[in-house]
Amino acid sequence: DAKTTQPPSMDCAEGRAANLPCNHSTISGNEYVYWYRQIHSQGPQYIIHGLKNNETNEMASLIITEDRKSSTLILPHATLRDTAVYYCIVRVLLGGYNKLIFGAGTRLAVHP
Amino acid sequence: EPEVTQTPSHQVTQMGQEVILRCVPISNHLYFYWYRQILGQKVEFLVSFYNNEISEKSEIFDDQFSVERPDGSNFTLKIRSTKLEDSAMYFCATKEGLANEQYFGPGTRLTVT
Repeated sequence: DAKTTQPPSMDCAEGRAANLPCNHSTISGNEYVYWYRQIHSQGPQYIIHGLKNNETNEMASLIITEDRKSSTLILPHATLRDTAVYYCIVRVLLGGYNKLIFGAGTRLAVHP
Repeated sequence: EPEVTQTPSHQVTQMGQEVILRCVPISNHLYFYWYRQILGQKVEFLVSFYNNEISEKSEIFDDQFSVERPDGSNFTLKIRSTKLEDSAMYFCATKEGLANEQYFGPGTRLTVT
């Protein structure tokens, strides 16, 4: 699985958009970009994933660059409850039992 | 919304004792995982389980660890003889066969004294 690089921490004001970057310059053509988050020692929570097209769901948007070497997770209107560690994970989609490999992630602090 | 549950939420045990951590998966999920997170460190993969057998395990998952699904519903992680360094949060995750995302439980905090 390709390695990812994320900034260790970021701040965001409540109500503003939080843009969390992730570099994955060694990504392979069959690898997807996944985002999970972990709120204060709770179990990680799936947010979104994509291959090459931009994706949006009720939680966030995922923007993947055309060369797929980096991506950005966007929380359009951050709230205090979005304070968490955000993990960018790149892996193949085997459709089976493949594991998740977590890095250190980005610690996002949303402040009033 | 269906969710993964884990019991107990906190387990304190003495070094050398056996512990069993329990997970109730989401009902139609077929793929099961255990992860652990030592305080202040990354979430680490331990083992994946499908069709009543281990499909992959990490180096952490040595002979002291075992998993099973004894009654077709609960998914358990057993640590035979706990060590101080086994103190961590243990997360169960489950996945529906054709879906991509894993759903995590709230975790069990294991403290070995």
